[in-house]
Amino acid sequence: DIVMTQSPDSLAVSLGERATINCKSSQSVLYSVNNKNYLAWYQQRPGQPPQLLIYWASTRESGVPDRFSGSGSGTDFTLTISTLQAEDVAVYYCQQYYNTPPTFGGGTKVELK
Amino acid sequence: QLQLQESGPGLVKPSETLSLTCTVSGGSISSGSSSSISYFWDWIRQPPGKGLERIGSFHYSGNTYYNPSLKSRVTISVDTSKNQFSLKLSSVTAADTAVYFCARVVSDCSDLTCHKGYFDLWGRGTLVTVSS
Repeated sequence: DIVMTQSPDSLAVSLGERATINCKSSQSVLYSVNNKNYLAWYQQRPGQPPQLLIYWASTRESGVPDRFSGSGSGTDFTLTISTLQAEDVAVYYCQQYYNTPPTFGGGTKVELK
Repeated sequence: QLQLQESGPGLVKPSETLSLTCTVSGGSISSGSSSSISYFWDWIRQPPGKGLERIGSFHYSGNTYYNPSLKSRVTISVDTSKNQFSLKLSSVTAADTAVYFCARVVSDCSDLTCHKGYFDLWGRGTLVTVSS
C-alpha cells in the first residue's frame, strides 16, 4: 500500500493568516499517461464527515472557497489556506487514489492561534 | 442532490455481527457512470480520535473489494430496488468501535475492478460501539 505522511501533525494560525499543510507519498502518484496526480484533500470539522476540497492535486471541488489551493506533483504535495477563517478550524487529510486501496494521511489539525 | 445516510444499531456485543445500511437518495446506485467516470460505493470507518480506514467497496455491476485486513469478516451487499447498500462485519471486538461512513467514489477507471478514486459524497456517519 502507498503510505501517505502529513506534516505537521497540528498547526495554530491566526485569523487571516496563511496555513500550509504538507503531504508526502511513499511512491509517486503521478500517472505519466495522462499527467495527472491522483491526490485528493479533505476537510473534517468536528463531528462531521470529511468533505472533499481538492482532487487531481489541484482541482477545487465545486463550492469550495478559492482560499483553498492544492499544489505539488509526484510524491510531494501542499494544501494552502491563503487567509484562514474561523470555519476552517478542522482536521485536513490527503488521500492517494493512484493504487488500490486508496490510502489517507494521518491528518493535520488546524487551530486558531 | 445525491445524499447518503447510514443506519443501524449503535451498540453491538463482542463476537456478534455489526450490520449497517446506507440509503442513497436523490440518485441511483446503479446509474451515473459514463465513458470517462465510474462510481463505486464504499464503507469507511474512523475509530474515535483516529484516522480513516477503508473497509470495502462495490460497483453496482456486482464487483466488490474488501480491505485485506478485514476481508475474512466483511460482506458488502446491495439492494438496488431500495437504493441501499449494506455492511456486515462479523466477530466484532472493541477494536471495531468507530464511526462508520458510507461514501461515493469517483473513478476514472475503465476497469470496474479497480475500486479506486476520490470520495466526493459522504454520509454523516454513525457511531458503533462494541461493548457487552
